[in-house]
Amino acid sequence: DQQVKQNSPSLSVQEGRISILNCDYTNSMFDYFLWYKKYPAEGPTFLISISSIKDKNEDGRFTVFLNKSAKHLSLHIVPSQPGDSAVYFCAALGAGGTSYGKLTFGQGTILTVHP
Amino acid sequence: DTAVSQTPKYLVTQMGNDKSIKCEQNLGHDTMYWYKQDSKKFLKIMFSYNNKELIINETVPNRFSPKSPDKAHLNLHINSLELGDSAVYFCASSRSGISYEQYFGPGTRLTVT
Repeated sequence: DQQVKQNSPSLSVQEGRISILNCDYTNSMFDYFLWYKKYPAEGPTFLISISSIKDKNEDGRFTVFLNKSAKHLSLHIVPSQPGDSAVYFCAALGAGGTSYGKLTFGQGTILTVHP
Repeated sequence: DTAVSQTPKYLVTQMGNDKSIKCEQNLGHDTMYWYKQDSKKFLKIMFSYNNKELIINETVPNRFSPKSPDKAHLNLHINSLELGDSAVYFCASSRSGISYEQYFGPGTRLTVT
């Protein structure tokens, strides 16, 4: 029973264009939603977060949107750069119940930005 | 100066052996975690320690035993290794109260033959 899902295993984008990575969740008890970025042979790196009480958070080229009614979040990267090529993990922090204090990750989306 | 380090980076061993993976963080964090990334690429929490106290203990076989000698270290010992234990294991750390912003080590790829 996977509570956080990234249904697109991969995404290919041209440099300078927008990258949109999507994530769906099923648990209403999540408190924060995050995106992590992972390069090969390295651990995931925290990228950006959004509280469950907000619908948008922006940090430079990265913007995360949260649609609570649809239980959906997305990460927009604009403009995309070749150095953004990595695996992007969506994650959610539990606020209660058995998920309290735990990060639940999606399975990741491989983003490739072509020059 | 690595923030979260793990040793070894690769570990190949036979079924039935006992092995340990070490983790150290120099960020001054008081919470540390172990995650397992399986063949389907999902990262799943196994354990979490806060100030050397176990606070998260997911449903993992009791062959897996974490040990935290101090706040900067969280080691993972695995007894009687099985083929299904093959995975990448990540250690992470965070400050208390900001547990969503976790700093990960580079991972240890464990292969059980």
